[in-house]
Amino acid sequence: SQKIEQNSEALNIQEGKTATLTCNYTNYSPAYLQWYRQDPGRGPVFLLLIRENEKEKRKERLKVTFDTTLKQSLFHITASQPADSATYLCALGGQAGTALIFGKGTTLSVSS
Amino acid sequence: ETGVTQTPRHLVMGMTNKKSLKCEQHLGHNAMYWYKQSAKKPLELMFVYSLEERVENNSVPSRFSPECPNSSHLFLHLHTLQPEDSALYLCASSQGEGLLHEQYFGPGTRLTVT
Repeated sequence: SQKIEQNSEALNIQEGKTATLTCNYTNYSPAYLQWYRQDPGRGPVFLLLIRENEKEKRKERLKVTFDTTLKQSLFHITASQPADSATYLCALGGQAGTALIFGKGTTLSVSS
Repeated sequence: ETGVTQTPRHLVMGMTNKKSLKCEQHLGHNAMYWYKQSAKKPLELMFVYSLEERVENNSVPSRFSPECPNSSHLFLHLHTLQPEDSALYLCASSQGEGLLHEQYFGPGTRLTVT
């Protein structure tokens, strides 16, 4: 069955450092991958989408990579700030299906 | 977040009650979704509506009944729920059904079944 793993439930880093979150998947060939941010008590907010034929995507301090050979996506936040503290979800989308498959998320805590 | 609204934000109901969750999107999207989010579990897709027609039902128990009267509104009717149905229920919408379209989520309804 399809499986998505986000490297850890929690990640703690210091302000100013680069946070790197990992999303691995098995038994699936996604056409694209999305990253969302979720704050406590709120719904997820879309951040970035990367297609299978794209290696890297950037948006301000965010960078996403997508390696279909390794079946892995890396999500980087550079110059992290306490306001970046949240849970980050990766989601996979297939060619034929309509449904996104979500990972459990990684909770990032950035300390000042 | 204000593009998709959900009411109520919190709901406590007994196992024999009947209640409904409401979702409204103000984004002009044509696809709407219901998700269930339980602690330590990934988001679980429950229902998908595209152009007001249900296109996906992920083996959800019949005690959950969706309704989509138009492209802006989505309901989830609840009856004879179980304690394990306690969770955050999220509504989302997108422009286009699934493929390559980011989803916009509402704030969710925190449901507690006693």
